Parts: sequence; C-alpha cells; structure tokens
Amino acid sequence: SQTIHQWPATLVQPVGSPLSLECTVEGTSNPNLYWYRQAAGRGLQLLFYSVGIGQISSEVPQNLSASRPQDRQFILSSKKLLLSDSGFYLCAWSVLRTGSPYEQYFGPGTRLTVT
Amino acid sequence: AQSVAQPEDQVNVAEGNPLTVKCTYSVSGNPYLFWYVQYPNRGLQFLLKYITGDNLVKGSYGFEAEFNKSQTSFHLKKPSALVSDSALYFCAVRDIGYGNNRLAFGKGNQVVVIP
Repeated sequence: SQTIHQWPATLVQPVGSPLSLECTVEGTSNPNLYWYRQAAGRGLQLLFYSVGIGQISSEVPQNLSASRPQDRQFILSSKKLLLSDSGFYLCAWSVLRTGSPYEQYFGPGTRLTVT
Repeated sequence: AQSVAQPEDQVNVAEGNPLTVKCTYSVSGNPYLFWYVQYPNRGLQFLLKYITGDNLVKGSYGFEAEFNKSQTSFHLKKPSALVSDSALYFCAVRDIGYGNNRLAFGKGNQVVVIP
C-alpha cells in the first residue's frame, strides 16, 4: 500500500531564516505531487505541483520554491521566511490509473510557525 | 474554471441525527467530484468520489453522497451522526484546465456533532 511521509511535524522558525520541508511517498511510482498551504481558517491554497522529476509548476508567486530531486521526493523551501508563511503545509500525491482517477492522498502535514 | 461551493461555514447536528454537508459544483464537461475530511492538525482523508454511474456513492465511515445533475449538487450525508464525526469537510472537483492533474477544493465546512 501507499504511504506518504512529511517532516518535520512541527517547526518554529524566526523571520528571515531558511526553510526546508520534505515529503516522500512509498509504494507507488511516478506520482503527481502537490504542496498546499492551509492558513488559519480553513481553505487550501495550492502552492506547487509536479508531474515528474524536475518538473515543477508554481501556482502562487511568493518567496517559496519547490524541488523534486527524486521520483517520490518533493521538497518545499524558502531562503528567507516571512511572518505570512506561517500555516499548515500539506503534501499530497495522486496517480492516474483506471478506477482511481484524480483523487489525491494527503500526508500528515507540517505546522510552521514563523516568529 | 471548475469550482465547488460549500455554502455553509458550520453545520451543527445532534448526535444520532442525520448529517448533511452541502456542495454545489460548476464544471464544463463531466464532473469528477470528491469529499475529504480533516481532523484537527491532521491531513485530509479521502472519503468518497463520484466519477460515473450510480448517483448514490458510498464511502468510508458510513458516509455517502448523492450526485444530482439537475441541481449541480453533491451533498455528503450520514444517517446517524457520531461525536467523532466532528471535523472539517471539503468538497472537491477535478480541474480540467490543468492537464487533469489538479483538484479545486471548496472552502470547507466545519461539522460539530453535539452529544
């Protein structure tokens, strides 16, 4: 079965510090990968998605970036964090296959607090 | 663009009573619709989906959803709510404008089941 991991689970970082959040998927190959942010409140904001190694689509211009160095690894980074970067970051994966098109499966999330 | 609307911010229901969480959609073409649930500080969990076929879709934890094409709705239902069903519920639709790789999520509905 497939499993998705995110770490760290929680993170407190000062303004201006760098950021690296990691997401890995097990049990599937060539997944689509996604980074979302959920701010206080509830809505999900799609930040990045990737359909393959080195292929990243950015949805919102900001001080965040994403990379996919391996098939099942997705990294969210920042060189300098802003207060507005605080939130709950969720990684998700999906695979297009017969009977299971398009649904995404989410990781446990990382709670980031920028102070 | 494809979109879904969840008109209610919060739904309060007494334990044992029927639970309904509303979702309407706006799509071009055939809708692929999904429901997710999120417990506090956790990732989203997939509940069910409608792709084609029977308008009544059964999912996890006793939930079901009814697809209604004439009303462009996909309401989530549970015959008898449990306190443990208290959570945030998201409706989503396949977003065909982006190579079939994305989902468009609603803003979410907070469900509170009162003992």
